[in-house]
Amino acid sequence: RKEVEQDPGPFNVPEGATVAFNCTYSNSASQSFFWYRQDCRKEPKLLMSVYSSGNEDGRFTAQLNRASQYISLLIRDSKLSDSATYLCVVNPYSGGGADGLTFGKGTHLIIQP
Amino acid sequence: DAGVTQSPTHLIKTRGQHVTLRCSPISGHKSVSWYQQVLGQGPQFIFQYYEKEERGRGNFPDRFSARQFPNYSSELNVNALLLGDSALYLCASSRDSAMNTEAFFGQGTRLTVV
Repeated sequence: RKEVEQDPGPFNVPEGATVAFNCTYSNSASQSFFWYRQDCRKEPKLLMSVYSSGNEDGRFTAQLNRASQYISLLIRDSKLSDSATYLCVVNPYSGGGADGLTFGKGTHLIIQP
Repeated sequence: DAGVTQSPTHLIKTRGQHVTLRCSPISGHKSVSWYQQVLGQGPQFIFQYYEKEERGRGNFPDRFSARQFPNYSSELNVNALLLGDSALYLCASSRDSAMNTEAFFGQGTRLTVV
């Protein structure tokens, strides 16, 4: 089982629509969670951290379900500029040392005019 | 404020050669991590350094090595390059090594091995 799994898409969504992505993670001891966006041939950019209580930043809402080990991202009123690959990221915990961030393969989102 | 800077941005090397990639973290950040991203995949963790000490290592061969300098900048070295080492190499800067600390990436070095 892969450590972080995402639906690769692509998700083709009309401008103004709401779109949601999920990802699942395998390490139940994971401590911190993030969403990054990556534009073609660019570096990943931090979109938001994901907290147990859920968090919202403008049109973006992230949720964490520890019991089911999944993380979600909701984008409301989608814009053309939201077109990108969205990476689900988990900071695993093995009890010692630093394991680095574990990335999913990403979900490709295309917003259509 | 300057973000994470990496050099060079692009590099072409021949199989068997050696390469050194460089990274300067955000001012005030003491932790640097290195990631390899091949096309169609998410970044894969290579190393993390904090206060000049290696804190973590991913599943990469010993041909990969790194170090962090007193000014917190870092180098990633890869020996005996293989075609499969062709990838985008990303440096991530974070304030400290705590697990919930947010990481910020440089623009990457695109390495092509021919």
